[in-house]
Amino acid sequence: NAGVTQTPKFQVLKTGQSMTLQCAQDMNHNSMYWYRQDPGMGLRLIYYSASEGTTDKGEVPNGYNVSRLNKREFSLRLESAAPSQTSVYFCASGLPGQETQYFGPGTRLLVL
Amino acid sequence: EDQVTQSPEALRLQEGESSSLNCSYTVSGLRGLFWYRQDPGKGPEFLFTLYSAGEEKEKERLKATLTKKESFLHITAPKPEDSATYLCAVQAGGSSNTGKLIFGQGTTLQVKP
Repeated sequence: NAGVTQTPKFQVLKTGQSMTLQCAQDMNHNSMYWYRQDPGMGLRLIYYSASEGTTDKGEVPNGYNVSRLNKREFSLRLESAAPSQTSVYFCASGLPGQETQYFGPGTRLLVL
Repeated sequence: EDQVTQSPEALRLQEGESSSLNCSYTVSGLRGLFWYRQDPGKGPEFLFTLYSAGEEKEKERLKATLTKKESFLHITAPKPEDSATYLCAVQAGGSSNTGKLIFGQGTTLQVKP
């Protein structure tokens, strides 16, 4: 039981490049979330998926897209990376009604 | 607007020196208040969920309490391994329970031997 896994662990991009961050969970959770963490800003919600087939914007969705591929997987795509997207990205999952979210180890992204 | 504020931003303690971390919140209908621990380079690790004022939960040297406006994380006789950043988050109630969490900026605790 691996919990929430994320790939890659670290990535360097040039401005304008694209990439997809992958997240998978093996806890049979319905809800999945993408957060970014920046110094002094705390964790901020980018997008979330309450169930398979649905996605919604969070607090800071601009510049990102998401795909809920199936119940296990939720990916985050940067179509044209910008230096402002340099951050640590965390994926989380949880069961509706149980509130608690479980986080992955994070992806550290540097955009030059 | 829903908001979470944690204080202090940083706290240095000697081993065995007890203290408390504060989490003040403003939310439209609290569904739950969460405490997480985050070690450097790692993802947040779940500690506690509190649902209503007066509720308390304990785990080893940690005890979390909740009032209508704030939560405290009490650390009793801390050890160096308790050094980490402690995050507080709230989940608002309402008809659309999407589970979204609103986080504070965290308190970084350093416990010196």
